[in-house]
Amino acid sequence: DTEVTQTPKHLVMGMTNKKSLKCEQHMGHRAMYWYKQKAKKPPELMFVYSYEKLSINESVPSRFSPECPNSSLLNLHLHALQPEDSALYLCASSQQGTFDSPLHFGNGTRLTVT
Amino acid sequence: QKEVEQDPGPLSVPEGAIVSLNCTYSNSAFQYFMWYRQYSRKGPELLMYTYSSGNKEDGRFTAQVDKSSKYISLFIRDSQPSDSATYLCAMFGGGGSNYKLTFGKGTLLTVNP
Repeated sequence: DTEVTQTPKHLVMGMTNKKSLKCEQHMGHRAMYWYKQKAKKPPELMFVYSYEKLSINESVPSRFSPECPNSSLLNLHLHALQPEDSALYLCASSQQGTFDSPLHFGNGTRLTVT
Repeated sequence: QKEVEQDPGPLSVPEGAIVSLNCTYSNSAFQYFMWYRQYSRKGPELLMYTYSSGNKEDGRFTAQVDKSSKYISLFIRDSQPSDSATYLCAMFGGGGSNYKLTFGKGTLLTVNP
């Protein structure tokens, strides 16, 4: 088991639904990340929060909305997704600021958009 | 030229073999080098983390960094079927948004009993 916990593990949603992915870490890490991973590809960066402030948005469509309620929690709100958004969504954390130390990943949420 | 090049394999070896996985990179700003292991349907697991040129050993795993040649390697000794996974090299620079974690494409390794 990893120290970064993601829920749910699997999610199936329609294109008109609204859902949220959740991520939690209790390692005292100050940077948290959302990545998207398609099959047989490396993870692609979406967002980074450093000290609870959004520090990087990789030009992600607005149908993905991140939120960092506190230093241990990270959410990704989903709305009006497309079938091509189906992927493994990974949360990660690192000890210090943005890309200052190795990233620790959760096991992801496997999202299917129908 | 991509920033990080990694042979995607697949690589198939018999149990007990020594496995060598490699990445080359072009950005001299990269200072920190990692190897992640990713099992099917799981997230990447941090396996090794190195900063300076040289070798770092952890059990059956040895990570090697040659900054002058911009080349990193991961060696697995006495490979086991449980080592079957995708191995991703990754690297980043000195911190901040200009030096994001950059992954190789990953090498799929199968260790046959």
